[in-house]
Amino acid sequence: GDSVTQMEGPVTLSEEAFLTINCTYTATGYPSLFWYVQYPGEGLQLLLKATKADDKGSNKGFEATYRKETTSFHLEKGSVQVSDSAVYFCALSEGNNDMRFGAGTRLTVKP
Amino acid sequence: DAGVIQSPRHEVTEMGQEVTLRCKPISGHDYLFWYRQTMMRGLELLIYFNNNVPIDDSGMPEDRFSAKMPNASFSTLKIQPSEPRDSAVYFCASSPELPGLMNTEAFFGQGTRLTVV
Repeated sequence: GDSVTQMEGPVTLSEEAFLTINCTYTATGYPSLFWYVQYPGEGLQLLLKATKADDKGSNKGFEATYRKETTSFHLEKGSVQVSDSAVYFCALSEGNNDMRFGAGTRLTVKP
Repeated sequence: DAGVIQSPRHEVTEMGQEVTLRCKPISGHDYLFWYRQTMMRGLELLIYFNNNVPIDDSGMPEDRFSAKMPNASFSTLKIQPSEPRDSAVYFCASSPELPGLMNTEAFFGQGTRLTVV
């Protein structure tokens, strides 16, 4: 079945460092891909998404490119801030089924 | 719209007691999802509904868990009897379509933190 694998955390960075959180997926068809973010004490919020190969999703300085050839959707940000500290979830949905989430990666950004 | 509303935010109960978690989805959303989040297993889909009808409950861990959606604006997740291993954060989410279709996304509530002692 469909699944998502993302890099294990936790990840700790200094402010203004470059962030990469790896995500790869397994799917039978052509899924849409998502990154959700969960701030402390809150529910998940959509950060960005891409619905077809080579699409790039972007929001709040974060980017991820849908790579069909490598079945990946890595999350990147050029310069992280303390306020980016959260848990990040990679997810996929093939549209005919529910959404599948990765295990989540906890990011802590230190000033 | 106020978003997906879950209650209670926190619940502490004794083993063996019945627990009921509640969710009000966003108005007009046809899909409702219940997820469980734990450190060990991450975010797991328990069940989802389409137009109040349960579509896939394969994620429900065992018969102690049951979910209902009596109308478009209300759903419950019940655990009876509860056990300490049920301690987790339970999230409800809703979407107008299945996420991935029509460029839609799932909107999450703030979750219910359940502790069974």
